[in-house]
Amino acid sequence: DAGITQSPRHKVTETGTPVTLRCHQTENHRYMYWYRQDPGHGLRLIHYSYGVKDTDKGEVSDGYSVSRSKTEDFLLTLESATSSQTSVYFCAISESRDPWGYTFGSGTRLTVV
Amino acid sequence: DAKTTQPPSMDCAEGRAANLPCNHSTISGNEYVYWYRQIHSQGPQYIIHGLKNNETNEMASLIITEDRKSSTLILPHATLRDTAVYYCIVRVGPSYGKLTFGQGTILTVHP
Repeated sequence: DAGITQSPRHKVTETGTPVTLRCHQTENHRYMYWYRQDPGHGLRLIHYSYGVKDTDKGEVSDGYSVSRSKTEDFLLTLESATSSQTSVYFCAISESRDPWGYTFGSGTRLTVV
Repeated sequence: DAKTTQPPSMDCAEGRAANLPCNHSTISGNEYVYWYRQIHSQGPQYIIHGLKNNETNEMASLIITEDRKSSTLILPHATLRDTAVYYCIVRVGPSYGKLTFGQGTILTVHP
């Protein structure tokens, strides 16, 4: 998607290893979000950020941490990956807190073996 | 947030209008209706939103009933690229990303 890039696109990692996913935006939007999508659960919010160094937990934050040291980058870290964290991870950005106009990235497919 | 109900799947012929219904009978006065879609393997894409008036943009039209208990997303001339899962979301803004994406409607556009 224009203005938002996720990396890597695909990753396979072993249980117990740390993993960091990156979301990069060129839109200078204040708000950034990390979601995971699993069959039967739809999209679930992991963490979100409302500015540099300002982050908060979403509904499924256990086992995840985030950092935002620059406006354009929002990092999601799995400190010690588990098989239950196998999922597709989406980053999103928005200009405002309103639930419209979100732009989502193309996703990162993470497999923990 | 008000609960939404959508049919699990719908079909539409290419070039015809696709009308996707959403029931939100418990919607409150300050809740908006939002529509997103997700094309296979991609992130969701915002389509349109409204409060009580009908809305139209370059992608679609949103028709909200007078009692606001239901709405219809209209894709006026569906193409094969409109095949996707369509999500109807009811929410009071601001949300801090707390959008609830349910199961949505799988729209399949046929040649």
